[in-house]
Amino acid sequence: DIQLTQSPSFLSASVGDRVTITCRASQGISSYLAWFQQKPGKAPNLLIYAAFTLQSGVPSRFSGSGFGTEFTLTITSLQPEDFATYYCQQLNSYPITFGQGTRLEIK
Amino acid sequence: QVQLQQWGAGLLKPSETLSLTCAVHGGSFSGYYWSWIRQPPGKGLEWIGQINHSGSTNYNPSLKSRVTISVDTSKSQFSLNLSSVTAADTAVYYCARVVVGIEARPRRFDPWGQGTLVTVSS
Repeated sequence: DIQLTQSPSFLSASVGDRVTITCRASQGISSYLAWFQQKPGKAPNLLIYAAFTLQSGVPSRFSGSGFGTEFTLTITSLQPEDFATYYCQQLNSYPITFGQGTRLEIK
Repeated sequence: QVQLQQWGAGLLKPSETLSLTCAVHGGSFSGYYWSWIRQPPGKGLEWIGQINHSGSTNYNPSLKSRVTISVDTSKSQFSLNLSSVTAADTAVYYCARVVVGIEARPRRFDPWGQGTLVTVSS
């Protein structure tokens, strides 16, 4: 199985900050990586797919980059509604796997 | 706009079979894969498996011996059965649409159902 390791696991930031979350894959996955946002009691919401493609309806302050084994999710100018848990997901090979999550909290 | 609505029993005893169904509203059923994912309380996401409209499946090897995913194209529904459940199977279970690309490779999971909490307790 392909392991995804997110860093950091916990992040404290303020409204207006720029934050970056990293996802490292245990082997190359080309650009088959997605990012999700999840709020308590809700289903995950797709933000980015194919490493850098913004899902329709997602604000442009979210962006993704990377290829192979290292990927990043960047949020510029954090808004109050962005405080949530973020997961990366690899779709390169089965079984499909997720990172352990990054919890983003208000400082 | 496609919406997924899921339902099923929320409380099971150990050794029973978990059964959940997900209905697809407002969009095409063919041309996609349809997936189940679960999330134990306070933990991360685990992919269970997926199926397409013709019944072709992929399962997570960690659960494969206990999982069956089936499809009813006449109702635009797909279902999850997980046998011999234990407390470790307690989780919120989600269904999701899988958009596929070239050679039916999965590209993205969107949208998701609302989630169903399944608790296994004696």
